[in-house]
Amino acid sequence: GQSLEQPSEVTAVEGAIVQINCTYQTSGFYGLSWYQQHDGGAPTFLSYNALDGLEETGRFSSFLSRSDSYGYLLLQELQMKDSASYFCAVKTGDKIIFGKGTRLHILP
Amino acid sequence: DTAVSQTPKYLVTQMGNDKSIKCEQNLGHDTMYWYKQDSKKFLKIMFSYNNKELIINETVPNRFSPKSPDKAHLNLHINSLELGDSAVYFCASRPDRGENTEAFFGQGTRLTVV
Repeated sequence: GQSLEQPSEVTAVEGAIVQINCTYQTSGFYGLSWYQQHDGGAPTFLSYNALDGLEETGRFSSFLSRSDSYGYLLLQELQMKDSASYFCAVKTGDKIIFGKGTRLHILP
Repeated sequence: DTAVSQTPKYLVTQMGNDKSIKCEQNLGHDTMYWYKQDSKKFLKIMFSYNNKELIINETVPNRFSPKSPDKAHLNLHINSLELGDSAVYFCASRPDRGENTEAFFGQGTRLTVV
């Protein structure tokens, strides 16, 4: 079967750096994606890693290690607006499967 | 212009009723989905359509019937609503059947069954 594991909650301080990990077990793996969802909002796409290594987009970076079936999302210079849930996701066949989400709490 | 739009945004109804949720995307995407997000925020895929054709039915009860009149629209009809159907339902679309996993979500429909 397919599964994605990520921590349910992470807490960090404003201005700090936080890493949200994701381990996956899927068949036919193409790449790992990350989505952000604010309370009451819709999931929005953040990043996609198909190859090993780090991809940087502004304050957010995403990493993938295919050999370890592992990836992470790195958020730098945390702002209060980054308080949200973050989901890792994989495409398997014709569907996109999501992890259960990591709730990021940011303290002032 | 909204890329993926769903109506209604909120839906409160009694058990046993039948209701529909509509979804439209103006992105020209080939693939559309319905997801259910429960109170624990778990996003579970329900259906996947490609060019009006049902690709995936993820063991959803027969009371749920999706319909795609054209590739820009994917509606969801639910018969005999049950308390457990209360959730947020998201429609999403994706460009093609390739490896791209960037999906665009509608704003969600919060369904409450009382």
